[in-house]
Amino acid sequence: DTAVSQTPKYLVTQMGNDKSIKCEQNLGHDTMYWYKQDSKKFLKIMFSYNNKELIINETVPNRFSPKSPDKAHLNLHINSLELGDSAVYFCASSPDRTGSRGYTFGSGTRLTVV
Amino acid sequence: GQNIDQPTEMTATEGAIVQINCTYQTSGFNGLFWYQQHAGEAPTFLSYNVLDGLEEKGRFSSFLSRSKGYSYLLLKELQMKDSASYLCAVSPRGGSYIPTFGRGTSLIVHP
Repeated sequence: DTAVSQTPKYLVTQMGNDKSIKCEQNLGHDTMYWYKQDSKKFLKIMFSYNNKELIINETVPNRFSPKSPDKAHLNLHINSLELGDSAVYFCASSPDRTGSRGYTFGSGTRLTVV
Repeated sequence: GQNIDQPTEMTATEGAIVQINCTYQTSGFNGLFWYQQHAGEAPTFLSYNVLDGLEEKGRFSSFLSRSKGYSYLLLKELQMKDSASYLCAVSPRGGSYIPTFGRGTSLIVHP
């Protein structure tokens, strides 16, 4: 199946832990993104990579570090997790950086920090 | 910066037509997206408007007026499966192109 797949789907962890979320797309898209959707349902951009190069790094704590080993993968590592990090994290991709043909989102990772 | 406003919730009856409005203020405009998001699922792309006017795609149509900073999503022949959140997002001109999303309109379709 052609898609954006992210793992894990659910992640429950204690404060202070370090965790990673993986994302892969087999659509041949050039651009990948990480979005955070909070309890109020706002989708906020965190990072964007185009052909493995970081192009957007919004105001996100430096505890969050993206890594793109190749243009089909964009992983997100989070250090020293805090309660406020609890949210749904969506990976997405688009054919090019304009996004004009729409984004394809992964199914999301629901992170709960306890 | 960008500011996007859309109603929080709407209800409608199966088989009816519903119009979901979105107004925006932006320093530079490249295009406007509509996405559908069912509860607990990923957003899915519905439409992208760059020029003024109405674009029709099956039961869904999207309208844009750049001079008024206004868009709407029109859903015809509503079905129960259309119950979802509808997200309006505006892409800025130049630079990152990264769209800013509104908080979404939760549409509830009743039998």
